Amino acid sequence: GEDVEQSLFLSVREGDSSVINCTYTDSSSTYLYWYKQEPGAGLQLLTYIFSNMDMKQDQRLTVLLNKKDKHLSLRIADTQTGDSAIYFCAGAGNNRKLIWGLGTSLAVNP
Amino acid sequence: DTEVTQTPKHLVMGMTNKKSLKCEQHMGHRAMYWYKQKAKKPPELMFVYSYEKLSINESVPSRFSPECPNSSLLNLHLHALQPEDSALYLCASSQEVAGTYNEQFFGPGTRLTVL
Repeated sequence: GEDVEQSLFLSVREGDSSVINCTYTDSSSTYLYWYKQEPGAGLQLLTYIFSNMDMKQDQRLTVLLNKKDKHLSLRIADTQTGDSAIYFCAGAGNNRKLIWGLGTSLAVNP
Repeated sequence: DTEVTQTPKHLVMGMTNKKSLKCEQHMGHRAMYWYKQKAKKPPELMFVYSYEKLSINESVPSRFSPECPNSSLLNLHLHALQPEDSALYLCASSQEVAGTYNEQFFGPGTRLTVL
């Protein structure tokens, strides 16, 4: 069945780059999304990538997609303490259902 | 206006109470969603409305009753809940462009505690 996997924890120092990885099994996912959730808050759509793209950059965020390996990554450059949150990747086909990863908890240490 | 709002922010209710959660968006989106999220877990889809009609019910117990009175509003009526229903309830909305996926925008959620 459809599945999305993520590593559960990542700890980085302030100013370093963070790389959060995600693998998915459903090759029909047309769009792949990254959501951020700060403690006690809702989900914030950070960025997304269409399945025919390899890379997308948006300010400090870089999304890389390896469709052959079904691997998605989110790189955050110059990570700040405000980036501490849980990051979910999610895949979507041509319907309304998102298939979610379990989330990666990012801790940024000063 | 590019946000989804939810009220109340927090709700504590007993198992015999009846309460309602409210969600509103003014982005012209024609799809609206209810999700349930337990701590440190991904959200679980409950219901989807498309053009004010219920299009997806993910086998949610009948003690949760959704309602979409118009294209901007979504309610979730709660009755006879169980303590295990305590969670963060998230509302989301999206456009409804046919034949493609439309990104979902989430509200801040209602933190529900059932005693």
